[in-house]
Amino acid sequence: DAGVIQSPRHEVTEMGQEVTLRCKPISGHNSLFWYRQTMMRGLELLIYFNNNVPIDDSGMPEDRFSAKMPNASFSTLKIQPSEPRDSAVYFCASSPQGAVGYTFGSGTRLTVV
Amino acid sequence: TQLLEQSPQFLSIQEGENLTVYCNSSSVFSSLQWYRQEPGEGPVLLVTVVTGGEVKKLKRLTFQFGDARKDSSLHITAAQPGDTGLYLCAGDHAGKSTFGDGTTLTVKP
Repeated sequence: DAGVIQSPRHEVTEMGQEVTLRCKPISGHNSLFWYRQTMMRGLELLIYFNNNVPIDDSGMPEDRFSAKMPNASFSTLKIQPSEPRDSAVYFCASSPQGAVGYTFGSGTRLTVV
Repeated sequence: TQLLEQSPQFLSIQEGENLTVYCNSSSVFSSLQWYRQEPGEGPVLLVTVVTGGEVKKLKRLTFQFGDARKDSSLHITAAQPGDTGLYLCAGDHAGKSTFGDGTTLTVKP
């Protein structure tokens, strides 16, 4: 089991550029979560999917953020345009539907300059 | 908004000491999880507690869920340098987890 796989591990981009973060959940896990971690705000839930369908996106900061899950093995989180305040570590996590407790990926450290 | 407050925020102890960290909320959760996170990695699930008053043990770690399912504690016996990390609690409600800000534990050899 390769676990939850996120790419890239690090991303440095200029303000105004589009950023796409990628996640491959554990095979068979029906629920997928995107979190953002910062020193100031800790771990914040951005959006989660059940069976590829977005269930709750109330944590998405603003319209610059969007997430998709085109199939059970792939999800993306896109920021367009990016801003310096978006700098954070973005985590993807997955779990079997209805299960409590998640498996997290290693995260993508995003720096917007 | 369901908030989880963890205390202390930082804890630095010597190897062999015992410690307890706390996770408190005014909200009731259907379950509560404890994770440990090391630098540069994602949180790793340690345990899930579901029943009020439940106690679970994982080697030198003892987890307790409050009777009212609003709070939890993590006790570590004879801490070791390998226990160093950020300990996060998370409360589950309506299918999603809300995380506390964590306790950063440093165990000095």
